[in-house]
Amino acid sequence: EVQLVESGGGLVQPGRSLRLSCAASGFTFDGFAMHWVRQAPGKGLEWVSAITWNSGRMDYADSVKGRFTISRDNAKNSLYLQMNSLRAEDSAFYYCAKPLIWNSPNAFDIWGQGTLVTVSS
Amino acid sequence: QSALTQPASVSGSPGQSITISCTGSSSDVGGYNHVSWFQQYPGKAPKLLIYEVHNRPSGVSNRFSGSKSGNTASLTISGLQTEDEADYYCCSPTTTNTRVFGTGTKVTVL
Repeated sequence: EVQLVESGGGLVQPGRSLRLSCAASGFTFDGFAMHWVRQAPGKGLEWVSAITWNSGRMDYADSVKGRFTISRDNAKNSLYLQMNSLRAEDSAFYYCAKPLIWNSPNAFDIWGQGTLVTVSS
Repeated sequence: QSALTQPASVSGSPGQSITISCTGSSSDVGGYNHVSWFQQYPGKAPKLLIYEVHNRPSGVSNRFSGSKSGNTASLTISGLQTEDEADYYCCSPTTTNTRVFGTGTKVTVL
């Protein structure tokens, strides 16, 4: 079964850091770019970041650029999101997502269950 | 990058057809044939309905169809069913190598 499982969310104070992980299984992880998408409770979806299969390129939403870093470890079938200088507006469910086709920019057919990040003092 | 514009809500009776629009610009929707659509139930992860404007992944009902004209993409749900009551989002790549989602549309089955 193709599966993505996020972990690492929690309550964190403004200005602090958090690292999210996404464990992949059931597919050839190193054959796909991977993405992070977030959703504040009761709000819409917001694309956060993407990384190519070989970590050759990373892209970020303007709202997180310079604060968040996406990375992956293909040997461990894992995707990561290092979040620094967290703000209240970063509070959201964070999903990792896999595209249907290896080179599709946005056909996310597999999503994790999401991990909740709450930034509050 | 501003979110793509979708109507906040669309409603219809069972059996009817409804269409959800997704308006962007030449820097996103209008510049690519990669518009995708997602369905999301409360408390659940999104589900891919349409990719590359009009393609359906295996297992998605053919009651869902997509199209695009200029800077506006559309999702049509035909033969509306109670199970179609959910939130719907469009998504497009952009010229700055980011992705942008729509504002979301709540579909209500009357």
